Amino acid sequence: DIVMTQTPLSSPVTLGQPASISCRSSQSLVHSDGNTYLSWLQQRPGQPPRLLIYKISNRFSGVPDRFSGSGAGTDFTLKISRVEAEDVGVYYCMQATHFPSYTFGQGTKLEIK
Amino acid sequence: EVQLVESGGGLVKPGGSLRLSCAASGFTFSDAWMNWVRQAPGKGLEWVGRIRNEVDGGTTDYAAPVKGRFTISRDDSKNTLYLQMNSLKTEDTAVYYCTTRIEMGTDGALDSWGQGTMVTVSS
Repeated sequence: DIVMTQTPLSSPVTLGQPASISCRSSQSLVHSDGNTYLSWLQQRPGQPPRLLIYKISNRFSGVPDRFSGSGAGTDFTLKISRVEAEDVGVYYCMQATHFPSYTFGQGTKLEIK
Repeated sequence: EVQLVESGGGLVKPGGSLRLSCAASGFTFSDAWMNWVRQAPGKGLEWVGRIRNEVDGGTTDYAAPVKGRFTISRDDSKNTLYLQMNSLKTEDTAVYYCTTRIEMGTDGALDSWGQGTMVTVSS
């Protein structure tokens, strides 16, 4: 089974400063079709998850450009260029390459210092 | 506007059954592969299972912890997704989300989520 490991599990950040979350998979996420099905979701307190990034680096519609995704193979990163108060919440990576299951990381809690 | 509205959650005793529903609107439900994802209190997200659209066979996949106990079905005439949960265990206590991919191009991602419905399994 695929294991998705996120670091850190908690990230206190100063408003206006950058933040970075890492996600590592136990196997390569490159699909036989050439795509890498790694996405990032945000879950604000009391809210359902919301898609931020799909296929490593594509921002979903309406997502601010301060969010960016990068990586390849087994190592991926979500970056927030300048953290705003509304960014507080838990961030999850998710793999969909190794079908039929979807696998999530444990989540990284972003909080303001 | 896309809407996914779950219902049917509640308190049930261990060994009991419950059926969740997810009413969909704002997109062509019959085209969508639909998923259930759950979140235990204070924990992370866990994929429960999916059902394909009828064109792709209408078949289902389940996560190992629920296989044989949970059944996902759909009624395209009612734009509704179901999750039948039998032989419930305390560890099934969670918020259950209905989720899918709607936007073209966002393959492998879940771009639409309901608000969730809480299921509590306790004696």
